[in-house]
Amino acid sequence: EVQLVDSGGGLVEPGGSLRLSCAVSGVTFINAWMNWVRQAPGKGLEWVGRIKSTTDGGTTDYAAPVKGRFTISRDDSKNTVYLQMNSLITEDTAVYYCAHRRSTGSFDWGQGTLVTVSS
Amino acid sequence: QSALTQPASVSGSPGQSIAISCTGTSGDVGGYSYVSWYQQHPGKAPKLMIYEVSNRPSGVSDRFSGSKSGNTASLTISGLQAEDEADYYCCSYTSDTTWVFGGGTKLTVL
Repeated sequence: EVQLVDSGGGLVEPGGSLRLSCAVSGVTFINAWMNWVRQAPGKGLEWVGRIKSTTDGGTTDYAAPVKGRFTISRDDSKNTVYLQMNSLITEDTAVYYCAHRRSTGSFDWGQGTLVTVSS
Repeated sequence: QSALTQPASVSGSPGQSIAISCTGTSGDVGGYSYVSWYQQHPGKAPKLMIYEVSNRPSGVSDRFSGSKSGNTASLTISGLQAEDEADYYCCSYTSDTTWVFGGGTKLTVL
C-alpha cells in the first residue's frame, strides 16, 4: 500500500519561500511519477506540477500560475519529493497535497500540509 | 488549461440515484481514458472512487459507476446514502501532458 507523508507547511510572508517535503513508501520510488496538487480554502483541487520518474528522465512540468516560481525535485535515496516555493503570493495559500500517479492515471494522496501566505 | 466543468451542487434523497457531469474538450476528457473521480469529505484528503473512466478500485461500493460520452464524463451514484454527502471532483489527463481537475460538485443527501 502506498503511503505519502506531506510536511513543511506553515505561515510565510508574501515574497517569501518555503519547501515542502513528501516521504513516499510502498512503491518503487525510482519508477514513481510524483505530483503536487493544492486546494485553496473553500475552493477546488488544482494541479500544481509533476516530476517524472528518474527512469523516465526526471523532467518537470508546472501549471501556469506557479511556473517560474515553484520547483519540484526528488531524492531517490530518501524516497522523497520536494516542492520549493519562491516569491509566494497570497493566492498561493492552500493545502498542498503530494500525489503519486498510478499506472491507471489516478492518484494516491498524502494527508496534505497547509501553507498560509500572509503578512 | 481551464478547469473541467462540473455542476456546483447536486442533491438527492436516500435511495435515489444522482449523476454528476464533467465536461472538458477533445484535448482532455474527450481524448483520453485517464479520467478519474475523487470523493472528498471536509478536512480530508481526496479518495479515489473511479479510474480510467469506469473502473472501481477495490473497496469502493458498486453503487458508484462512471461513464464517458464525447467530451463529457459522468459519475453516477445509486442508492444514495447519508455518507455519500461530500464534494466530488473529476480529473483528466491532457494533451499538454499535464492534469486538470473539475471545479468540484457538492453532493447533498436530503
